[in-house]
Amino acid sequence: DGGITQSPKYLFRKEGQNVTLSCEQNLNHDAMYWYRQDPGQGLRLIYYSQIVNDFQKGDIAEGYSVSREKKESFPLTVTSAQKNPTAFYLCASSMDHRGPQHFGDGTRLSIL
Amino acid sequence: SQQGEEDPQALSIQEGENATMNCSYKTSINNLQWYRQNSGRGLVHLILIRSNEREKHSGRLRVTLDTSKKSSSLLITASRAADTASYFCATRGPNDYKLSFGAGTTVTVRA
Repeated sequence: DGGITQSPKYLFRKEGQNVTLSCEQNLNHDAMYWYRQDPGQGLRLIYYSQIVNDFQKGDIAEGYSVSREKKESFPLTVTSAQKNPTAFYLCASSMDHRGPQHFGDGTRLSIL
Repeated sequence: SQQGEEDPQALSIQEGENATMNCSYKTSINNLQWYRQNSGRGLVHLILIRSNEREKHSGRLRVTLDTSKKSSSLLITASRAADTASYFCATRGPNDYKLSFGAGTTVTVRA
């Protein structure tokens, strides 16, 4: 079955700690995205990548970093510079930037 | 930036009734997409409608697009309890590589 896998489902971060959220897809999609969702709100774009070894900042990139070393993988690091990291993080992919996006089931990040 | 705005914010209907929600946006688009999100899960793509299209159907779903009014509507006919979810519209501008999502409409279908 093709799809997107996000792990872990729940993650806790201590003050001053960096944490990395995993996103893997086996859909052979070129484009991948990271979104943040806060309660009762829509999705806000953190970073996106149109192709391997290339990525661009979205609307709220401060305090986050990404890499795209493999087509299948697009990990997101939430750094200690992100002062309000508690949120639901969603990863998505699409064949190209025009088409529909396929989403993983998210990682919920909380602060200890 | 958030371009789409859904209306209403929340909707409660009886099973079997129709549900209609609207999306308004501010700038020109290449396409508009509707997604569904069940509680605690990722989004699922429902329908994509291009700027030169006026209406699309998929099963019990009907989407309309009026580019002159910069608005779209999603109609769910003969609703079921399983339709209980949040519904989001997302727009892509002509030169954009990304989607802009609205805040969503939460639909509750009562048995």
